[in-house]
Amino acid sequence: GAGVSQSPSNKVTEKGKDVELRCDPISGHTALYWYRQRLGQGLEFLIYFQGNSAPDKSGLPSDRFSAERTGESVSTLTIQRTQQEDSAVYLCASSPMRQGYEQYFGPGTRLTVT
Amino acid sequence: GENVEQHPSTLSVQEGDSAVIKCTYSDSASNYFPWYKQELGKRPQLIIDIRSNVGEKKDQRIAVTLNKTAKHFSLHITETQPEDSAVYFCAASRSYGTGTASKLTFGTGTRLQVTL
Repeated sequence: GAGVSQSPSNKVTEKGKDVELRCDPISGHTALYWYRQRLGQGLEFLIYFQGNSAPDKSGLPSDRFSAERTGESVSTLTIQRTQQEDSAVYLCASSPMRQGYEQYFGPGTRLTVT
Repeated sequence: GENVEQHPSTLSVQEGDSAVIKCTYSDSASNYFPWYKQELGKRPQLIIDIRSNVGEKKDQRIAVTLNKTAKHFSLHITETQPEDSAVYFCAASRSYGTGTASKLTFGTGTRLQVTL
């Protein structure tokens, strides 16, 4: 079946502008996660959703970052007033939970803030 | 919170040799340990995982071992091939068996280069 998809695949924005990143999880996956990966670095946790509630937002770097999810489907990650240090690949993952705990990643959105 | 350390950061082996990557974790409540392979510019792909009620798991040329007492786990790749060249990440979470989602805490990655 279809995997996790993300859009856009690439986004170049000017410093100070807002951006919205989208994630479509695998159908039926209850849990959805957002991670950030800076160039040549590991993955940093940002936030996860179980259904449409977010029990753990501890990884969001600042109040410029927010995320929401509609039911057990699409999620959007919004970054307001972007800064150059926000440049990274933003990865989304989903997990079935009831059938297993594996997290399957999307292709990511490469965000460049100029 | 959880902290995962991974070694080595880079590893070069000759084709056909074995490769071993080691990780340690700090949170004794962690009970699920996946390994991901990430090729350049691609998404992380799950290659194998292990749960805390198991000490070893094998899938063809790859195996993972877990020592709960010492809080460390390792990835073993035998008969390495050039297509094994990638960055490998270990991770830990507390999600197994709880029915609730839990974040993955990742190691810093190991760049594996398999030379001919």
